[in-house]
Amino acid sequence: ETGVTQTPRHLVMGMTNKKSLKCEQHLGHNAMYWYKQSAKKPLELMFVYNFKEQTENNSVPSRFSPECPNSSHLFLHLHTLQPEDSALYLCASSQVEGNQETQYFGPGTRLLVL
Amino acid sequence: DAKTTQPTSMDCAEGRAANLPCNHSTISGNEYVYWYRQIHSQGPQYIIHGLKNNETNEMASLIITEDRKSSTLILPHATLRDTAVYYCIVRDNTDKLIFGTGTRLQVFP
Repeated sequence: ETGVTQTPRHLVMGMTNKKSLKCEQHLGHNAMYWYKQSAKKPLELMFVYNFKEQTENNSVPSRFSPECPNSSHLFLHLHTLQPEDSALYLCASSQVEGNQETQYFGPGTRLLVL
Repeated sequence: DAKTTQPTSMDCAEGRAANLPCNHSTISGNEYVYWYRQIHSQGPQYIIHGLKNNETNEMASLIITEDRKSSTLILPHATLRDTAVYYCIVRDNTDKLIFGTGTRLQVFP
């Protein structure tokens, strides 16, 4: 257990559905992240939130919409996804201070878009 | 650009030490060396990090060469559960955490 939880762990959705992924961190960290890992590809950073403010959007399509209501929770709202969006979606958190910053990852949500 | 070079795959016998090398010849003075691993279909797991001194924790040891251009992650007594992809990442806290392709370590009985 890393102190970062994600729900659901598995999700199947159609291209017209709307769903949300949830991440919660119990570590008192001030930064949270969404990553995408497609099959046989390295992790790709999607969004970064520092102190609840979005500081990075890594050219992610607008069909992915993040929300960070407080420093412990992060959501990824999904709508009108495409089959190529099927992937493992990972949440991470870290404490950004000083010259070191270690990210701790959740177990991921495995998404299948039909 | 992941800034590091790692072998694609390695094997290790159970109970033996697994030594995973990483080259980072362009590392700058304020960049740390981080190691993560990812067991199949799980989230990456933080292992250890260091700047220039060797580091040890309950999971592994990190040996960094004096010129900091390379490092080795050592799992002293590998188990089957250590089978995973191991990522060596060089960064300072203003960098993104960029995962390359890593080293696929297979521990066999």
